[in-house]
Amino acid sequence: QSALTQPPSVSGSPGQSVTISCTGTSSDVGNYNRVSWYQQPPGTAPKLMIYDVSNRPSGVPDRFSGSKSGNTASLTISGLQAEDEADYYCLSYTSSNTFVFGGGTKLTVL
Amino acid sequence: QVQLQQSGPGLVKPSQTLSLTCAISGDDVSSNSAAWNWVRQPPSRGLEWLGRTYYRSKWYTDYAVSVTSRIAIKPDTSKNQFSLQLSSVTPDDTALYYCTKGGWSGFDTWGQGTLVTVSS
Repeated sequence: QSALTQPPSVSGSPGQSVTISCTGTSSDVGNYNRVSWYQQPPGTAPKLMIYDVSNRPSGVPDRFSGSKSGNTASLTISGLQAEDEADYYCLSYTSSNTFVFGGGTKLTVL
Repeated sequence: QVQLQQSGPGLVKPSQTLSLTCAISGDDVSSNSAAWNWVRQPPSRGLEWLGRTYYRSKWYTDYAVSVTSRIAIKPDTSKNQFSLQLSSVTPDDTALYYCTKGGWSGFDTWGQGTLVTVSS
């Protein structure tokens, strides 16, 4: 199972919006609404930010939103803040009853 | 509030077996609504899902293809914990290993991570 494809890096200025894409196949992202997103600041464990494509766990700011179209899922962060600087990973359930992560995207707040 | 506490050695010799344990508080390893996963992250690299165990009237396990011949994830109901065993390790298995709780929707609770180095 190959890793899902994410851009290695994205950047934005405070207050702007950024979108991180996560491209898979019809065997994972395209066939299941089981995509989640994780935020990982340096030296910390990942934190769940979005589950089931577009749902936010309690405590996650509504500046974070998720969507999916075909084989590509997306995480959008609006009103960018300095504290959002981190690595972001997508995760999808697959038709093999396994899970696959994206390669990760480093978000830089300029 | 669910908490996961990892334990196990930080150094393993090549060809030996890596063994880690994840103790659960605030939930039950036999829960019918949870699954218990292991994820790893090589230094300065991305996350890799390794496998999971879960109980739905009986125990199930699923493993990543990349490690399926070397891995075993087992529940221990007497101690409310689950374990990871990875055999025949090489330096490529050097990584930060995490245990996590999560079903099909996402992984909402993570252990503190254990750095395991494979070296003689």
